[in-house]
Parts: sequence; structure tokens; C-alpha cells
Amino acid sequence: GEDVEQSLFLSVREGDSSVINCTYTDSSSTYLYWYKQEPGAGLQLLTYIFSNMDMKQDQRLTVLLNKKDKHLSLRIADTQTGDSAIYFCAERGPGGSYIPTFGRGTSLIVHP
Amino acid sequence: DADVTQTPRNRITKTGKRIMLECSQTKGHDRMYWYRQDPGLGLRLIYYSFDVKDINKGEISDGYSVSRQAQAKFSLSLESAIPNQTALYFCATSDSASGQETQYFGPGTRLLVL
Repeated sequence: GEDVEQSLFLSVREGDSSVINCTYTDSSSTYLYWYKQEPGAGLQLLTYIFSNMDMKQDQRLTVLLNKKDKHLSLRIADTQTGDSAIYFCAERGPGGSYIPTFGRGTSLIVHP
Repeated sequence: DADVTQTPRNRITKTGKRIMLECSQTKGHDRMYWYRQDPGLGLRLIYYSFDVKDINKGEISDGYSVSRQAQAKFSLSLESAIPNQTALYFCATSDSASGQETQYFGPGTRLLVL
């Protein structure tokens, strides 16, 4: 079955760049997502990328997709303390019956 | 007002009790989901529904049941609660008509089973 893997923790200094990595196994994945969960809240979509793209940029966020290696990354430039959260990678296959598969989440800790 | 609401937000119950968690949405989405979140295990899908009266089991449905009597409401029941069902429960919705089908999550229900 599908599997999505992420490291559990990342610690960075305020102002540095953060890179959160994700690998997935389903080669038919059509959409890949990054969700953010702030303390005490539900998940919120941060960004997504369609599988025919290899990069997507949105302000401080850059998503890179290496479809050959089934590797997705999220880069946050100029990381701020407000970026401290859990970041979930998710993928979804083609077709209407597919349910997203989520990774276990990476806890990003930003320290001064 | 929040688009996806969950009640209660916190619940303490005893082993063996039946409890129900409610989810309501005002987004007009056809699809709804129940997940549980445990530290280090991420999100695990319990049940999902593609439309009213449509019910599908997820990864960990044992010990749970759901009801989708209206498009806007999806309830999760624990028939006889046990301590290892202590977790954070999330409801989510999505719109099958959207291409990327983003999921929208409620704020969560924190359940403690003693």
C-alpha cells in the first residue's frame, strides 16, 4: 500500500531556512500536499503541487518535487517563531475514489 | 464562524461508555472524514463518506461507527470506549468537484478514556 515518510523533528534558528523532506511510494500520486498544524488546532493546507510540476513557489515557501525519486520537500525561507508547528506531507492518487495518505508529521521548532 | 465545527471540544469518559462525537460543516462539501491523531503516529483514517448514506471503513475502524444522515453532518461513535481510544479526533471535509480536493479540518476533539 501507499506509504509516506517524514522525519519527526527539525530544529532551526530564527532567520535561517528550514527544509522539511518527505518520501512517498505511490508512483501514481497526482497531488502532493503540505499541511500545517499549529498547537491546539486542526490541519490547514499550506500548499500543494500537481505531479506534472517540479517546483512551486509561494512567498517564503518553495516546494520541490522529484517524481523519479518520489521525494517532496518544503523550504521555508527566513523561518520565524510563528512557523513553529507540525508539518504534514500528504499524497493522493488519480481518480475520485482516492483518499489522501498522510505522513506522520515533522515538528518544526524555531529557536531564537 | 468556522466552516467545520466539532463538538465537544474535550471529553472525559469511562471505559465501557458509549459516546458520540459530532461534526458539522457549512462548506457544502460532499465528502467527510474522521481521523485520529496520536503522538508519533500522525493521522490515521477511521471512516470516510463520499456522500449522504455512503460509509467506508478506513485504516482503523474497529471499535468505531459513523453516521451520515445529512450532507452537512458526520458523527463518530465509540460503542464501548476503551483507554487506547484516548486521542485527538479530527473531522475533515473535501469537495470532489475541486481538482486538488484540499481537505478542511475541524479544530479537533480531545478524548480521554479512563
